[in-house]
Amino acid sequence: TQLLEQSPQFLSIQEGENLTVYCNSSSVFSSLQWYRQEPGEGPVLLVTVVTGGEVKKLKRLTFQFGDARKDSSLHITAAQPGDTGLYLCAGPVSGTYKYIFGTGTRLKVLA
Amino acid sequence: DVKVTQSSRYLVKRTGEKVFLECVQDMDHENMFWYRQDPGLGLRLIYFSYDVKMKEKGDIPEGYSVSREKKERFSLILESASTNQTSMYLCASSLGEVMGNEQFFGPGTRLTVL
Repeated sequence: TQLLEQSPQFLSIQEGENLTVYCNSSSVFSSLQWYRQEPGEGPVLLVTVVTGGEVKKLKRLTFQFGDARKDSSLHITAAQPGDTGLYLCAGPVSGTYKYIFGTGTRLKVLA
Repeated sequence: DVKVTQSSRYLVKRTGEKVFLECVQDMDHENMFWYRQDPGLGLRLIYFSYDVKMKEKGDIPEGYSVSREKKERFSLILESASTNQTSMYLCASSLGEVMGNEQFFGPGTRLTVL
């Protein structure tokens, strides 16, 4: 069974600080996605990483896919209150159109 | 602009009632999904559909059924609502051509069963 574990579960930091969120599995994934969910809304895709070792940047957000395609990280530089939300990683279940989601990291950035 | 809409943002029902949650997407996507989201448990797949009239059970289908009569509409049915079905319900859709495509989510329905 494929599982995705995220850490930390909760993170409360001051504006301007850096942080890293992790998504780990013992299974290999063909790709991993990162979503952000704001209160009262559905998740919105931030990025998809496909190749082992791949690094993608989205402004102050840097996403990395592990070389073995079993893990991923999200690094935020100089966090801002607008980064507050629930960050979810997700991966496709092999041979299906289904996805599994990590339990999420709830980030709060204080002004 | 792509859109997934859900019929209600908030819903309060009584135990034993039949509950219908509707989801509509305007992107001509083949795949549609119903998840429930609970604190500490993440998103769990209830059912998904990869074509009209086709459905497949997810990880937690007990107590739920679904209907997909038209490509754009996917309904989740709680035959007899129970208090443990109080949750946030999220609908999503994705293109069917490639596995692992981006999912587009609706805003969610927060269901409370009393």
